[in-house]
Amino acid sequence: EPEVTQTPSHQVTQMGQEVILRCVPISNHLYFYWYRQILGQKVEFLVSFYNNEISEKSEIFDDQFSVERPDGSNFTLKIRSTKLEDSAMYFCASRDGLWSSTDTQYFGPGTRLTVL
Amino acid sequence: GQNIDQPTEMTATEGAIVQINCTYQTSGFNGLFWYQQHAGEAPTFLSYNVLDGLEEKGRFSSFLSRSKGYSYLLLKELQMKDSASYLCAVRDTTQAGTALIFGKGTTLSVSS
Repeated sequence: EPEVTQTPSHQVTQMGQEVILRCVPISNHLYFYWYRQILGQKVEFLVSFYNNEISEKSEIFDDQFSVERPDGSNFTLKIRSTKLEDSAMYFCASRDGLWSSTDTQYFGPGTRLTVL
Repeated sequence: GQNIDQPTEMTATEGAIVQINCTYQTSGFNGLFWYQQHAGEAPTFLSYNVLDGLEEKGRFSSFLSRSKGYSYLLLKELQMKDSASYLCAVRDTTQAGTALIFGKGTTLSVSS
């Protein structure tokens, strides 16, 4: 069964450093998402991406964040200058976007980001 | 504003039936999802409701009442592996488009 994959599974970085989190969505999916989950808290929406542009973003997704689909398979989240409070599990999700479907979002296994 | 409420924790025994409730107040509504999340893992899709009524899927069923802003997830014949967090999520077309707004999750502990 096709699945969303993410790399790395674990990333440790120093405050102020740039990090890039990578995702490979399910191949025929059209919509891509990033969510984050701070330890012990709820899953929070960051950004959605469709047709090579951001379609929605939350208040969390400020100028320090950016997303890109550099090729036909990868979807990346970049944090330019990490802060301690960026420490969280980051989940990538995708959905097919077909009108006949339930628009279910399928989540990747996550990247645990630790900012020191 | 958006508000999705679920009980924080529930406990049950193997073989039993448990109902996890979710109430929501969102400015728009275009579907409610239930996900299961084991500790340290990704949320996995369980069920989807967009119309009122019950959707059944094996040991799992989900119910929706849009007029009451209420859903529940029913788990039958509980197994130890059902110990996990259960996340209620709403798709709010008004504010977040196709994004999902999650509740804080209900941690279910199943004992033998």
